[in-house]
Amino acid sequence: SQQGEEDPQALSIQEGENATMNCSYKTSINNLQWYRQNSGRGLVHLILIRSNEREKHSGRLRVTLDTSKKSSSLLITASRAADTASYFCATLRVSNNRKLIWGLGTSLAVNP
Amino acid sequence: EPEVTQTPSHQVTQMGQEVILRCVPISNHLYFYWYRQILGQKVEFLVSFYNNEISEKSEIFDDQFSVERPDGSNFTLKIRSTKLEDSAMYFCASSEGTSGANVLTFGAGSRLTVL
Repeated sequence: SQQGEEDPQALSIQEGENATMNCSYKTSINNLQWYRQNSGRGLVHLILIRSNEREKHSGRLRVTLDTSKKSSSLLITASRAADTASYFCATLRVSNNRKLIWGLGTSLAVNP
Repeated sequence: EPEVTQTPSHQVTQMGQEVILRCVPISNHLYFYWYRQILGQKVEFLVSFYNNEISEKSEIFDDQFSVERPDGSNFTLKIRSTKLEDSAMYFCASSEGTSGANVLTFGAGSRLTVL
């Protein structure tokens, strides 16, 4: 099955630095969503970007979408130790507008 | 803020036993989902449910699995005869289904350990 792929798989930074995670996908999409998962917990929706949008902001989060390259990036600015989590991208395909296709996730560690 | 609740948070069972995982989706949501995540691996779609029937299921969702909405609030996942490889976190999610964006709200998960 087609799925998104995030890179890097793991990222370790110092508090205060910016963290950038990337996601690539394979098919035409309606939207792309980023979710966060703290260790052993459920996924929490962070931000959604529609296929006709190029950039979106929410607090310290900035998401970009390049549909020509079929890729997205999630930037977390001024990271905090509490941002330590796994981050997943999920795409809503044009051909199936109910089923999200998930990436493998990026594990982010923010060191105090 | 409305949330999806799941019970139990952790269940240990013997191989071959039946397990029922329970979920209470957000009350005005129309679509319900089960996902699973084997430790350290990706989130895998199992099944989606709408209008009291399965709308889509993955190849993982074989005859050992079933879902039910027995009343107006609960949404259950049953595994008839558990196998060792069923050990995973099982997440229930729901979405409004009206906006077209399909943003999912997830529960905290039920950890299933099959011995």
